[in-house]
Amino acid sequence: QLALTQSPSASASLGASVKLTCTLSSGHSSYAIAWHQQQPEKGPRYLMKVNSDGSHSKGDGIPDRFSGSSSGAERYLTISSLQSEDEADYYCQTWGTGVWVFGGGTKLTVL
Amino acid sequence: QLQLQESGPGLVKPSETLSLTCTVSGGSISSSGYYWGWIRQPPGKGLEWIGTISYSGSTYYNPSLKSRVTISVDTSKNQFSLRLSSVTAADTVTYYCARLVEGDVFDIWGQGTMVTVSS
Repeated sequence: QLALTQSPSASASLGASVKLTCTLSSGHSSYAIAWHQQQPEKGPRYLMKVNSDGSHSKGDGIPDRFSGSSSGAERYLTISSLQSEDEADYYCQTWGTGVWVFGGGTKLTVL
Repeated sequence: QLQLQESGPGLVKPSETLSLTCTVSGGSISSSGYYWGWIRQPPGKGLEWIGTISYSGSTYYNPSLKSRVTISVDTSKNQFSLRLSSVTAADTVTYYCARLVEGDVFDIWGQGTMVTVSS
């Protein structure tokens, strides 16, 4: 069954970099995913699509500090030069035939 | 720039039907290649996909909600709607509408609307 797994929490210092991981379920390692950011008390915002080959395409206005990559069944979101406004929940999302799935989300704390 | 706005009652009684509308502005809901979806989020929890409707009118629903969900499009009003029947307290969540590009990523989201199920 198509599913996504994310660590519940992550933390990094202001100005540092952090790499968040989203893992595709067994048998789905070729799937692309999308990353979404949800800041406190706001709706989600689309960040980027990450393909199995590591290529990615970002949404409008997404800063260069955000990038995506892949390795096997894992899809990554790297945020460099962390800013206070990056403190948010990050969700990965994928899709199959007639089904769309979200990961459980990672709460990023900027120290 | 395309924008989505959810609307509907903030309070629904148990066992009744929840009805929400998403109004699309800045673009046509009939544009080919775009799908439209509903997602919900319990307080303090993650996102759950509810259902999707394609530009051709095909619908897809989360199996866990399928028996209670209907999604439809009104092209004359540039809106799409969600109906969720037999609601319970578990349906007290924030509901989001969103656009899907080529049926895969949710690239534009509404701001969300909170619905409370209570008598």
